[in-house]
Amino acid sequence: GAVVSQHPSWVICKSGTSVKIECRSLDFQATTMFWYRQFPKQSLMLMATSNEGSKATYEQGVEKDKFLINHASLTLSTLTVTSAHPEDSSFYICSVQGARGETQYFGPGTRLLVL
Amino acid sequence: GENVEQHPSTLSVQEGDSAVIKCTYSDSASNYFPWYKQELGKRPQLIIDIRSNVGEKKDQRIAVTLNKTAKHFSLHITETQPEDSAVYFCATGGYNKLIFGAGTRLAVHP
Repeated sequence: GAVVSQHPSWVICKSGTSVKIECRSLDFQATTMFWYRQFPKQSLMLMATSNEGSKATYEQGVEKDKFLINHASLTLSTLTVTSAHPEDSSFYICSVQGARGETQYFGPGTRLLVL
Repeated sequence: GENVEQHPSTLSVQEGDSAVIKCTYSDSASNYFPWYKQELGKRPQLIIDIRSNVGEKKDQRIAVTLNKTAKHFSLHITETQPEDSAVYFCATGGYNKLIFGAGTRLAVHP
């Protein structure tokens, strides 16, 4: 499968600041990347789907102005949580998908704690 | 909208026993059914998947069965080992996106 990295692995920030999370596909051309959020002991909730060079498609209930997604290349997508608040504290995970199949490969996740 | 129900939410077995987790889905257009294993604090890892043109797939101790008519698919783990303890998620979908079940916390006791 694909090798996917995320940076940072964890971040603590003050309420009101913005946080950028990077998702990199190290050995795989990811035409599509997905961003998920996972609260403790819960399932993965899809936030948005991004295709390289296109605007992201957000799931219902996810604010696109709060969660900015950029997918500038086949190997990098970024998620920026703008004006973060304590309720945004969660585990954010990206996944990558190639053009040839449906399989998604996940990054290691970024744990965000907003104080 | 699309929905995936997963049962049971928790499962406790003795080492060596079998474990079965079942998922039911609503979208008849779903054609891809992966299973992921997630250990605490780590990424979900794909353990097996099946496509709608296949009824069963096996990989060593793990197997998945699919009943498209009834819209359900199941994960079977035989000869369970303590290292199988984790949360298992089913999912359905295809090229557009995956919809995940709520997860099953499997505990394998020595």
